[in-house]
Amino acid sequence: QVQLVESGGGVVQPGRSLRVSCVASGFTFSSNAMHWVRQPPGKGLEWISVITYDGTNTYYADSVKGRFTISRDNSKNTLSLHMSSLRVEDTAIYYCARDYDNSGYYIDYWGQGTLVTVSS
Amino acid sequence: ETVMTQSPATLSVSPGERATLSCRASPSVQTNLAWYQQKPGQAPRLLIYGASTRATGIPARFSGSGSGTEFTLTISSLQSEDFAVYYCQQYANWPLWTFGQGTKVEIK
Repeated sequence: QVQLVESGGGVVQPGRSLRVSCVASGFTFSSNAMHWVRQPPGKGLEWISVITYDGTNTYYADSVKGRFTISRDNSKNTLSLHMSSLRVEDTAIYYCARDYDNSGYYIDYWGQGTLVTVSS
Repeated sequence: ETVMTQSPATLSVSPGERATLSCRASPSVQTNLAWYQQKPGQAPRLLIYGASTRATGIPARFSGSGSGTEFTLTISSLQSEDFAVYYCQQYANWPLWTFGQGTKVEIK
């Protein structure tokens, strides 16, 4: 069965950087595009980034463009999100999610998420 | 940017009753719409894609309809495990995905 397990969350000061990761199993990781979606505590879902199956193309929401970088290592079945210049409003649960397609279609599986708290 | 608007924000329903949730898209997303269910402390789960196709393992009491700008998720007879928050999401405006703000279905 498809499993996505995030890690790397924690408390970080504003302006600092943090990397969160997601290890995938139960499917051929190199065949699917992958997303990051976040959810501030008690609020709704916000899509923030996608990477195509081969890592060739990446896209970002305006709220994180220029500060966040998505990447993947298909040899290790791992998706990453490097977050820099973090702001208080970046505080959220960060979910790794699989796309049904290889370039971007709909999300069909989600990880359990990792909490990132930006606070001084 | 495609804006997704869900209504109502909260829906109070008795077990066994029908629940009807709405999602409006601006501009049109054709049938590139998905519905997700999220229970407290859990990740979202895919219910519906292509506006009306149930995902694997989703009970038949969940149904989706609509196209263009108006969509509906119907739960025909609410079970206790269906009380949750439901989100619609468009994937027409690739590569920018957007979610609605969610509808909470609570016990009346």
